[in-house]
Amino acid sequence: KQEVTQIPAALSVPEGENLVLNCSFTDSAIYNLQWFRQDPGKGLTSLLLIQSSQREQTSGRLNASLDKSSGRSTLYIAASQPGDSATYLCAVAYSGAGSYQLTFGKGTKLSVIP
Amino acid sequence: DAGITQSPRHKVTETGTPVTLRCHQTENHRYMYWYRQDPGHGLRLIHYSYGVKDTDKGEVSDGYSVSRSKTEDFLLTLESATSSQTSVYFCAIRNDSAGNTIYFGEGSWLTVV
Repeated sequence: KQEVTQIPAALSVPEGENLVLNCSFTDSAIYNLQWFRQDPGKGLTSLLLIQSSQREQTSGRLNASLDKSSGRSTLYIAASQPGDSATYLCAVAYSGAGSYQLTFGKGTKLSVIP
Repeated sequence: DAGITQSPRHKVTETGTPVTLRCHQTENHRYMYWYRQDPGHGLRLIHYSYGVKDTDKGEVSDGYSVSRSKTEDFLLTLESATSSQTSVYFCAIRNDSAGNTIYFGEGSWLTVV
């Protein structure tokens, strides 16, 4: 069974700092990995999707990397802003029980202090 | 935004009553999912659908049923609500023409008293 871990569970940084969020998974046979953002009381917003054949994806100040062999992905946020404060979740897509399955990490709660 | 609408957004119901949550999408995606999100457990899959009348169970399907009679609608029913089903319920779609990107609805907050 695929397990996804996100460490740390919470992170507080001063505004302007660059930061890295971590996601690790136990089974390297994945289709893709997706990063989401969730604001309090809201749904999940898709940030980046990395296919298994890719090493990284970039969108604005966000860069996500994928190392399948080590079972790790990182989300790099450059020049953090208070508006980046949210919970960030990663989800791994893989083949389980003969079908496409998703497993989510429990998230990292990010606070960017002005 | 993948055109996903959930209703109701908030509901308080009594133990033992039936409850139906609706997920509506406007883009004809084949795959639709229902998740629940709880503190300490994260997101857990309840049921999913891979087409009209084609559904399957997820990790936490006990006490829940689903139906999909049209491509655009995926219904989640709690036949007899219990307090353990108090949760936030999220509908999601999988866009298989966009690298299998998953998009979520805004959520339905359900309280069973």
